Amino acid sequence: DAKTTQPPSMDCAEGRAANLPCNHSTISGNEYVYWYRQIHSQGPQYIIHGLKNNETNEMASLIITEDRKSSTLILPHATLRDTAVYYCIVTNAGNMLTFGGGTRLMVKP
Amino acid sequence: GAVVSQHPSWVICKSGTSVKIECRSLDFQATTMFWYRQFPKQSLMLMATSNEGSKATYEQGVEKDKFLINHASLTLSTLTVTSAHPEDSSFYICSATGSPVPSYEQYFGPGTRLTVT
Repeated sequence: DAKTTQPPSMDCAEGRAANLPCNHSTISGNEYVYWYRQIHSQGPQYIIHGLKNNETNEMASLIITEDRKSSTLILPHATLRDTAVYYCIVTNAGNMLTFGGGTRLMVKP
Repeated sequence: GAVVSQHPSWVICKSGTSVKIECRSLDFQATTMFWYRQFPKQSLMLMATSNEGSKATYEQGVEKDKFLINHASLTLSTLTVTSAHPEDSSFYICSATGSPVPSYEQYFGPGTRLTVT
């Protein structure tokens, strides 16, 4: 699986968009970009995934660059409940997930 | 979405005893289950992968005789920590994928916090 690089922490004001970057410069052609998040002392929760097109669901949007070497997860209107560690993972569909350090997002009032 | 449960949610045991943790898929058939371990302020580390009816595949450095995994049915996998020691204290999390849930998505349980005294 390709390695990912994320900033260790970010702050965001409540109600604002949270933009979480992820670098995955060694991604291969059939690998997907997955985003999960883990709220303190809970199991991870799936957010969104994509291959090369931008994706949007009820939770977030995923923007993948044309060369697929980086992506950004966007939470359009962050709330206090979005405070969590966000993991960007690159792997083939159905494969095991390898968790890196993630980004600790703190949403502040 | 699909639901995965774990039992117990937390357990305290004495050093040298064994502890069994259950992971259940409540509304789908879990053909593959994964077991992770997470130490405080660290990320999740995959311990093993199990397919229903087969022996588990353990990650490098994980002792298969210490962490016994059984995936005997499509809705239940168990992790038994044998002869537990304080260094086994951790947050254990299972995840599952299968049918008819999308193959790209893994569903995680809420985790089990193990404290060995």
